[in-house]
Amino acid sequence: DQQVKQNSPSLSVQEGRISILNCDYTNSMFDYFLWYKKYPAEGPTFLISISSIKDKNEDGRFTVFLNKSAKHLSLHIVPSQPGDSAVYFCAASERAGNTGKLIFGQGTTLQVKP
Amino acid sequence: DAGITQSPRHKVTETGTPVTLRCHQTENHRYMYWYRQDPGHGLRLIHYSYGVKDTDKGEVSDGYSVSRSKTEDFLLTLESATSSQTSVYFCAISAGTTPQETQYFGPGTRLLVL
Repeated sequence: DQQVKQNSPSLSVQEGRISILNCDYTNSMFDYFLWYKKYPAEGPTFLISISSIKDKNEDGRFTVFLNKSAKHLSLHIVPSQPGDSAVYFCAASERAGNTGKLIFGQGTTLQVKP
Repeated sequence: DAGITQSPRHKVTETGTPVTLRCHQTENHRYMYWYRQDPGHGLRLIHYSYGVKDTDKGEVSDGYSVSRSKTEDFLLTLESATSSQTSVYFCAISAGTTPQETQYFGPGTRLLVL
């Protein structure tokens, strides 16, 4: 039973255009969400996060949107660059437990073409 | 990289043998985690620690044990390795004001069980 799902295994976009990566969750207790980026043979690196009290968070070219009623979040990358080509994971957690346990989606491989 | 190292980086072992993976951090963070990454599953939490000698189970803890006798070291042991434990293992630490914020990951250990 996958509580966090990334239904698109891969995405290909042209350099300079917008990349939109999607993530759905089923557990209504999740109240903190994160996006990680992973290059081959490296550990995931933190990109951006959002608390459930917000519906949007921006950091440079990266924006995360949260739709709590739909249990859906998305990561927008504008403009996309070839160096953004990587696997992107969304993750969710429950703050109440204060354990830091993260539940990850399966990942989406983004390819940005020059 | 939050000063996280993992050893070994690569290991090949045979079914039924014990294996210990080591995670070392240099910044005295309280929370440490072990995840495994498999195709189609993203990252899944195996065990985590919230202090010296304080550990708890994650999503996929069967067949694994952990120990934390010092703040800086978190060990993951496969008591009797099986082929289903072939995976890439990542250690993470939590560096934020709350444990789910900004988890930093190590470079990973690639384990092959023959």
